Amino acid sequence: DAKTTQPTSMDCAEGRAANLPCNHSTISGNEYVYWYRQIHSQGPQYIIHGLKNNETNEMASLIITEDRKSSTLILPHATLRDTAVYYCIVRVAIGGKLIFGQGTELSVKP
Amino acid sequence: GAGVSQSPSNKVTEKGKDVELRCDPISGHTALYWYRQSLGQGLEFLIYFQGNSAPDKSGLPSDRFSAERTGGSVSTLTIQRTQQEDSAVYLCATALAGRFNEQFFGPGTRLTVL
Repeated sequence: DAKTTQPTSMDCAEGRAANLPCNHSTISGNEYVYWYRQIHSQGPQYIIHGLKNNETNEMASLIITEDRKSSTLILPHATLRDTAVYYCIVRVAIGGKLIFGQGTELSVKP
Repeated sequence: GAGVSQSPSNKVTEKGKDVELRCDPISGHTALYWYRQSLGQGLEFLIYFQGNSAPDKSGLPSDRFSAERTGGSVSTLTIQRTQQEDSAVYLCATALAGRFNEQFFGPGTRLTVL
């Protein structure tokens, strides 16, 4: 699986957009980008995934660069409940175990 | 319930004892995963079941760890002769066939070995 690089931590003001970057410069053509988050003392939660097109669902938007070497998860109007560790994972669709890195600790502040 | 459930939510045991952790998957999810998360650490894959295929046990840290999944549904993770380093939150996740990377996680079992 391709290695991912994320900032260790980020802050965001409540109500503003949170933009979480992920670098995956060694991604292969058949690998997808997945995002999960883990709120303190809870299990991880799937957010969104994409291959090359931008994706949007009720939780977030995923923007993937044209060369697919990086992506950005966007929480359009962050709330205090969005404070969590966000994980970017690159994986082939066949699946199996997920390999979680250190992720980005997002703190949403009032 | 609609989600993945795990029991017990907390387990305190003495070093050397055996423990069993249970995972009830979402109905219809054919893939089931076990992970663990030690305090302040990332998630570590343990084992993966998919349908009737042989499980992927590549993440089990020692032969004291085993897991089974009966009838393609409930799974039990067993740790024999527990050690203090086994203390962690054990998380179960399940997924639909063909959507293996969209995993739904349970709340976890917090295991403390004294």
